[in-house]
Amino acid sequence: DSGVTQTPKHLITATGQRVTLRCSPRSGDLSVYWYQQSLDQGLQFLIQYYNGEERAKGNILERFSAQQFPDLHSELNLSSLELGDSALYFCASSVEPSTDTQYFGPGTRLTVL
Amino acid sequence: GQNIDQPTEMTATEGAIVQINCTYQTSGFNGLFWYQQHAGEAPTFLSYNVLDGLEEKGRFSSFLSRSKGYSYLLLKELQMKDSASYLCAVMASRGNTPLVFGKGTRLSVIA
Repeated sequence: DSGVTQTPKHLITATGQRVTLRCSPRSGDLSVYWYQQSLDQGLQFLIQYYNGEERAKGNILERFSAQQFPDLHSELNLSSLELGDSALYFCASSVEPSTDTQYFGPGTRLTVL
Repeated sequence: GQNIDQPTEMTATEGAIVQINCTYQTSGFNGLFWYQQHAGEAPTFLSYNVLDGLEEKGRFSSFLSRSKGYSYLLLKELQMKDSASYLCAVMASRGNTPLVFGKGTRLSVIA
């Protein structure tokens, strides 16, 4: 158990819908990262937050957005869902934003039908 | 650009030793990580190298050569539970991706 929690564990929805994935970092970690992992694909970095501020942005679609709240939990919002958005979404956290080990949550498996 | 290469698949026998290689080209370098990922589960941290040389941690060791842009993960006394994907990841000091992951090496341990 890494100490990072994610909810829900599984999510099944239809095309065109909007979902919100939630992540709580390890106690004391200020930085949160979101990744997407499609079947047989590597981990694709989406976005990073540090202490409430956006720190780095990867290949995140405009339909996707995220935020980190004052209590440091983070939410990833996915809208206008497409079949290709079906994937595992992982959240990771670290103490420092650039030099620390990232610890991953158990992931949310999103299925878009 | 950022590029990390590792073999797609490897097979090894229970009790044997296996070496998984990783080569990288990134914008700057702040360290290299190895993660283990069982199918459908979260990546779990195995090792971190920032200086050249070998880091040993139980049955797992990781080596880094910064001048060659090369690392390997060495797994000894293989067990069936070591069947998993092993991800090489580089912390780049420049660019917009804090940690760049390779596609992973799927290791199958057979009896």
